[in-house]
Amino acid sequence: RKEVEQDPGPFNVPEGATVAFNCTYSNSASQSFFWYRQDCRKEPKLLMSVYSSGNEDGRFTAQLNRASQYISLLIRDSKLSDSATYLCVVTYNTDKLIFGTGTRLQVFP
Amino acid sequence: DVKVTQSSRYLVKRTGEKVFLECVQDMDHENMFWYRQDPGLGLRLIYFSYDVKMKEKGDIPEGYSVSREKKERFSLILESASTNQTSMYLCASSSRGEEKLFFGSGTQLSVL
Repeated sequence: RKEVEQDPGPFNVPEGATVAFNCTYSNSASQSFFWYRQDCRKEPKLLMSVYSSGNEDGRFTAQLNRASQYISLLIRDSKLSDSATYLCVVTYNTDKLIFGTGTRLQVFP
Repeated sequence: DVKVTQSSRYLVKRTGEKVFLECVQDMDHENMFWYRQDPGLGLRLIYFSYDVKMKEKGDIPEGYSVSREKKERFSLILESASTNQTSMYLCASSSRGEEKLFFGSGTQLSVL
């Protein structure tokens, strides 16, 4: 079983839709969780951290479920510019990160 | 803003060649990393370094070596390139104790 698993997609959604991705992790000792965004042929960039209490940044909401060992990313009112691959990242110690393979989102007009 | 610069955006090499991929960061970060990214496999850690002259193997170090003679520079070396090393190579850096990674724009290496 992979340490971090994501549905590769693609998720094809119309503008204005709400879409959610999940990411499961296998190590219960995981400490920190993040979502990165990667545009086509570009480098990954940090989108948001995921806190135990959940956190929201504009149209984006991230949540952590430690009991079921998954994190989620919810995007409301999708924009064309949200089209990208979303990478789930988990850490077991401060400096080493484990990346998921990413979920591809395509928002269409 | 942090800048992580990779020396080449695209590189084409022949099997058996020695290949150097250079990465420089300008934010005095202690930690530097080399990843490769392949379709369906995601980002896999090759080597990382927590300080000058220090290096640690990641998950897939075979066929690679690294050098960190200066804090700002982390080089990835393919001693004898093979076709299965055709990939996108991404360098990243972070501050000690910080988990946020800053990535370079990547080097797409093709080994023919």
